[in-house]
Amino acid sequence: GENVEQHPSTLSVQEGDSAVIKCTYSDSASNYFPWYKQELGKRPQLIIDIRSNVGEKKDQRIAVTLNKTAKHFSLHITETQPEDSAVYFCAASIAQAGTALIFGKGTTLSVSS
Amino acid sequence: DADVTQTPRNRITKTGKRIMLECSQTKGHDRMYWYRQDPGLGLRLIYYSFDVKDINKGEISDGYSVSRQAQAKFSLSLESAIPNQTALYFCATRAGRNTEAFFGQGTRLTVV
Repeated sequence: GENVEQHPSTLSVQEGDSAVIKCTYSDSASNYFPWYKQELGKRPQLIIDIRSNVGEKKDQRIAVTLNKTAKHFSLHITETQPEDSAVYFCAASIAQAGTALIFGKGTTLSVSS
Repeated sequence: DADVTQTPRNRITKTGKRIMLECSQTKGHDRMYWYRQDPGLGLRLIYYSFDVKDINKGEISDGYSVSRQAQAKFSLSLESAIPNQTALYFCATRAGRNTEAFFGQGTRLTVV
């Protein structure tokens, strides 16, 4: 079936460094690509999203890039802080699932001070 | 605040028992979803619904059933619970096809 691959599964950085998480998807009809942050014991919450008519989107320290030809998108976090430590999920809308969001397996980001 | 509410928040049940997880939303969204979260496996889609009469299976629907009682309510049932259904379950809603998903607080289910 259609899926979303996410790498790496764990990422450890020093405070102030940048972090990059990458995802690939298989459904060429996908048009919507959100990123969610899940803190321990909490529900996933949207941090940034991008639609297929845009190649890059930025919101303060967070940016997302999309390459539709290669079917991959990435999350970039600059100047990381300890409070960025969490699990991050990418997702893609999948046409075969009625444009439901199919999620990657997640990346556990640890930022040490 | 408009929100997505799940009940119960935690539940321990025995193998073979029937259990229902409930989700209600005040966001006015038509699209509702049930996901299951397991460590290292991310969020996997169980069922999704576009309205009361439109219900669809997701990636991992075996062993589960759902009911959309109203636009605002979407319930997930395990007819005969088994231990490998122990997981964190999330309900979510969306306004449209290329829009954000809003998640409930989650239900932690343990089958013993």
